[in-house]
Amino acid sequence: AQTVTQSQPEMSVQEAETVTLSCTYDTSESDYYLFWYKQPPSRQMILVIRQEAYKQQNATENRFSVNFQKAAKSFSLKISDSQLGDAAMYFCAYRSGGMDSNYQLIWGAGTKLIIKP
Amino acid sequence: EAQVTQNPRYLITVTGKKLTVTCSQNMNHEYMSWYRQDPGLGLRQIYYSMNVEVTDKGDVPEGYKVSRKEKRNFPLILESPSPNQTSLYFCASSPGQGHTQYFGPGTRLLVL
Repeated sequence: AQTVTQSQPEMSVQEAETVTLSCTYDTSESDYYLFWYKQPPSRQMILVIRQEAYKQQNATENRFSVNFQKAAKSFSLKISDSQLGDAAMYFCAYRSGGMDSNYQLIWGAGTKLIIKP
Repeated sequence: EAQVTQNPRYLITVTGKKLTVTCSQNMNHEYMSWYRQDPGLGLRQIYYSMNVEVTDKGDVPEGYKVSRKEKRNFPLILESPSPNQTSLYFCASSPGQGHTQYFGPGTRLLVL
């Protein structure tokens, strides 16, 4: 069974600086997808970024980028120029890409990101 | 606007009183799913549906029922709620294989 581990329950960063959130996963599959979701105090679950395992290039969305290390099964999220609005819980999630997949997302426990003004 | 909606957003009920949480999406997505979120446990899948009239159990289906009579709607039914079903519930939808899941705003349920 696949598992996702976020080893940092809480991280803090000064506004305008850069922070990296860690995520590791365990799988025997070669075809899968990885996601970072953000959950602000409103509790809405918002997609931040997504990575297909077959793509070697790291995904980037504006100030958000990932460092995808497939061999190491690592999928970290880098937030550049941190803003107060980035304060939230961040969840790493895995989904199998196999044809018999039930599309289920496997979630990490989350990292609470605090932005210091 | 493309979205997933859930109703109600907040609900307080008593043990044993049947309730339904509705979920609707306007994106013509085939796949829909229900998750519950509990502190320290992350999100866990309750039920999912690959298409109309096709549903299956997730990791924590006990005490829940679902139906998918039409593509846009995927209600979650608690026939006899118990306090251990107090949680934050999310509905999600996806166009299908390889696509991102989009989440509703969540329903906070308290069972007394």
